[in-house]
Amino acid sequence: GAVVSQHPSRVICKSGTSVKIECRSLDFQATTMFWYRQFPKQSLMLMATSNEGSKATYEQGVEKDKFLINHASLTLSTLTVTSAHPEDSSFYICSASRDSTDTQYFGPGTRLTVL
Amino acid sequence: GQNIDQPTEMTATEGAIVQINCTYQTSGFNGLFWYQQHAGEAPTFLSYNVLDGLEEKGRFSSFLSRSKGYSYLLLKELQMKDSASYLCAAAKAAGNKLTFGGGTRVLVKP
Repeated sequence: GAVVSQHPSRVICKSGTSVKIECRSLDFQATTMFWYRQFPKQSLMLMATSNEGSKATYEQGVEKDKFLINHASLTLSTLTVTSAHPEDSSFYICSASRDSTDTQYFGPGTRLTVL
Repeated sequence: GQNIDQPTEMTATEGAIVQINCTYQTSGFNGLFWYQQHAGEAPTFLSYNVLDGLEEKGRFSSFLSRSKGYSYLLLKELQMKDSASYLCAAAKAAGNKLTFGGGTRVLVKP
């Protein structure tokens, strides 16, 4: 159990376009989902925490108007990178947990390349 | 603030033992996670220590000392497939947020 999927696994887009990434918990209900970004040879940096039915909490330095997060159900959260630029190219990983005491289960990641 | 430190790289021989150290300074500390990450893939869970002491799980063991802000991951009987990055992450009690260290790239040689 505790499987998390992400879609798409890879996306290439033009500068200025928006990209939506989906994160789904397949066999459990996730009260909380987290979004991370990982640049090459660096560690995971938490971007935001989203709780089902409420607004996401963004980490310092992460623009909430650029990275739109929606957690409309207990099994789905989406991250939309708006007006993407080449510097947004990165590996985006989500994780999900049943509640605030549960382990985080990671999705397989989405590699975004902005041309 | 929060600070998680671990070595950048380690090299070991197949069949040997490697110990990856992690020191942390974080407020509201709840526990320490270890994850394995192969290149281009998401992290996979290895262990979670809340209490002081050693937890053993097959070839992998993890140790925590809360008073010293120190943890280590011990990999025994190394196999080639163990070549990966190993991430330690401190969990905060509030909201279960994780702060990751920079990761340790372990290279296992024949």
